[in-house]
Amino acid sequence: GAVVSQHPSWVICKSGTSVKIECRSLDFQATTMFWYRQFPKQSLMLMATSNEGSKATYEQGVEKDKFLINHASLTLSTLTVTSAHPEDSSFYICSARVGGRYNEQFFGPGTRLTVL
Amino acid sequence: AQSVTQPDIHITVSEGASLELRCNYSYGATPYLFWYVQSPGQGLQLLLKYFSGDTLVQGIKGFEAEFKRSQSSFNLRKPSVHWSDAAEYFCAAHQGYSSASKIIFGSGTRLSIRP
Repeated sequence: GAVVSQHPSWVICKSGTSVKIECRSLDFQATTMFWYRQFPKQSLMLMATSNEGSKATYEQGVEKDKFLINHASLTLSTLTVTSAHPEDSSFYICSARVGGRYNEQFFGPGTRLTVL
Repeated sequence: AQSVTQPDIHITVSEGASLELRCNYSYGATPYLFWYVQSPGQGLQLLLKYFSGDTLVQGIKGFEAEFKRSQSSFNLRKPSVHWSDAAEYFCAAHQGYSSASKIIFGSGTRLSIRP
């Protein structure tokens, strides 16, 4: 199946710094990418949806100025957590899809962010 | 609002025993439903999906699920579990009708296997 990678797999940063997470579709071109957040022992909560070359659509309650999403190409999307704080510590998962809703979403392995 | 509910937070079954994980959905139109498995350190893997047609869907790793519209359910089953099936299982549904449609997840069921 198609492969989605994330980098880094884990990151520790100091409070107030910014962290960038990359999501790549390795063997296909993703027209749509998704970013999810998962708290320990909880479900995945969709943060935003992005289509290549256009602005991301954020879910209600997600701060767009805090979680910057860039979908610069069909194989790369980045999530930047700006001015991170301990409450931003979480597991961030990206997903990529080719075409519309009938097509499968492929998920990356996730990035564990810990803000000290 | 559309939602997916997994009533069981944690289930433990003996190796070789049968398994059924419950999933209920709240959806106005014909739902597109999925089951995913998440193992530690790995990304979510699609086990199976239901779009239309035969209500009994076969998936990978010996899993199957049955869509029951009258019960708004899409339960996942496996006749005989293996220790390697221990993981977190998520039921999910498609929401939306455009290219921006998205998957919403249930809260997950953690499956433990008793030796």
